[in-house]
Amino acid sequence: NAGVTQTPKFRILKIGQSMTLQCAQDMNHNYMYWYRQDPGMGLKLIYYSVGAGITDKGEVPNGYNVSRSTTEDFPLRLELAAPSQTSVYFCASRGQTNTGELFFGEGSRLTVL
Amino acid sequence: AQSVTQLDSQVPVFEEAPVELRCNYSSSVSVYLFWYVQYPNQGLQLLLKYLSGSTLVKGINGFEAEFNKSQTSFHLRKPSVHISDTAEYFCAVSSGGSYIPTFGRGTSLIVHP
Repeated sequence: NAGVTQTPKFRILKIGQSMTLQCAQDMNHNYMYWYRQDPGMGLKLIYYSVGAGITDKGEVPNGYNVSRSTTEDFPLRLELAAPSQTSVYFCASRGQTNTGELFFGEGSRLTVL
Repeated sequence: AQSVTQLDSQVPVFEEAPVELRCNYSSSVSVYLFWYVQYPNQGLQLLLKYLSGSTLVKGINGFEAEFNKSQTSFHLRKPSVHISDTAEYFCAVSSGGSYIPTFGRGTSLIVHP
C-alpha cells in the first residue's frame, strides 16, 4: 500500500520563486491536511480539505494556496517563496470519522535561500 | 476550543529504564486522544489512541497510555526503553465534532546506551 505519497522529498528554492508540493493518497480518504513542522514548534496546520472541491485555511495559511480537484490529490502551492517558508511540510489524510488516525506522508524538506 | 500541552520538550533516559512522556489537554467536550511517533527523517505514525472504554490503552512497540479524565491527562509510558525508541513523540486531541486534530509541540525522547 502506498498510503500518502509526497513529492519532492527535498527542494531548494530562491527567494521569490514558486513551486508546488504534491500529495496523493490511495485510501479514498475524504479529509486531507497540510502541516509545516519547525524545530520545537510541533505541527502547524496550513490548509485542510474535507472533500473534493472544498478547502479551508488552517492556522498559518499566508503565502500558500491549495486545491482539491480530486479525492486523491491535494497539492500545496507556494507563491513568491520567502526564507520564513523554510520548513518540513507534511501531508496527511484521514477517513470519514474524527475517531480515526491521520496517515502522514514522509515529508518534503524545503529550503528557501 | 481544544489544546494540548506536552510538558517536556526533551526526555533523556538510559536504555532499559522506564519512561513517561507527559501530555495534558483541555477541551469542553468529549475527546479522542492520540500519540504519534516520528522517527528521524520520517513522517508521523500512530502509536496508540483512546476513543472510549478502558482508560489504559496499549499500543505498538510496548508503549501504553492512561487516560485520566479528572486530571485531563494522557501520559505515555514504556517500562523498558530501547535505543530504537529514540524519536519525537506527539500527543494529539480531537474533540466533539471537530475533524481538525490539535497537536502538542512534541517531546524528543533520547535513549542513551
